[in-house]
Amino acid sequence: AQSVTQLDSQVPVFEEAPVELRCNYSSSVSVYLFWYVQYPNQGLQLLLKYLSGSTLVKGINGFEAEFNKSQTSFHLRKPSVHISDTAEYFCAVRNSGNTPLVFGKGTRLSVIA
Amino acid sequence: ETGVTQSPTHLIKTRGQQVTLRCSSQSGHNTVSWYQQALGQGPQFIFQYYREEENGRGNFPPRFSGLQFPNYSSELNVNALELDDSALYLCASSAGLAGVQETQYFGPGTRLLVL
Repeated sequence: AQSVTQLDSQVPVFEEAPVELRCNYSSSVSVYLFWYVQYPNQGLQLLLKYLSGSTLVKGINGFEAEFNKSQTSFHLRKPSVHISDTAEYFCAVRNSGNTPLVFGKGTRLSVIA
Repeated sequence: ETGVTQSPTHLIKTRGQQVTLRCSSQSGHNTVSWYQQALGQGPQFIFQYYREEENGRGNFPPRFSGLQFPNYSSELNVNALELDDSALYLCASSAGLAGVQETQYFGPGTRLLVL
């Protein structure tokens, strides 16, 4: 069965500093990868997704992620964070075919002024 | 375009009771999935409905059941509530089934507290 590991449960970072949130998934022939953000007391909002093609994916709010098949990773990056980026970030993966999304446990990003 | 909506936003029940949560899909979406998100955890897949039929189920007992209506809105029913059922319940809608472009869009969730 597919699994997702988010290596950091909490990441504190100063405002305007760069950040990387790490995500690894169990190997599979064909996967689709997603990052979602959850602000306090809200549902999940799609940040970006990788379905095929270029391994560097750009999303909303200045975030990007790189799909690395050999390392089975899909790390999320932002070159300069804002206070408003403080939230919980979830990496999710699904295999091809009718399979459900499998989520990681989340990484809490705290941006410090 | 209307996004995914869920009702109620919050709910308090006692052990043994039954609860019904509701979800309206995003316009044009015919597939709905339900997830349970316990405190401090990622969402876990409960089941999926496509054109009014269950089409995939996660590791949840039969007391978790659902319905999808002709307008693609959906209900999640939980019988014989247990304390561990306390969680945020998320509904997600998507267009089509198993298509490579399928992306799930989430509602704001219903927070259920079982006392």
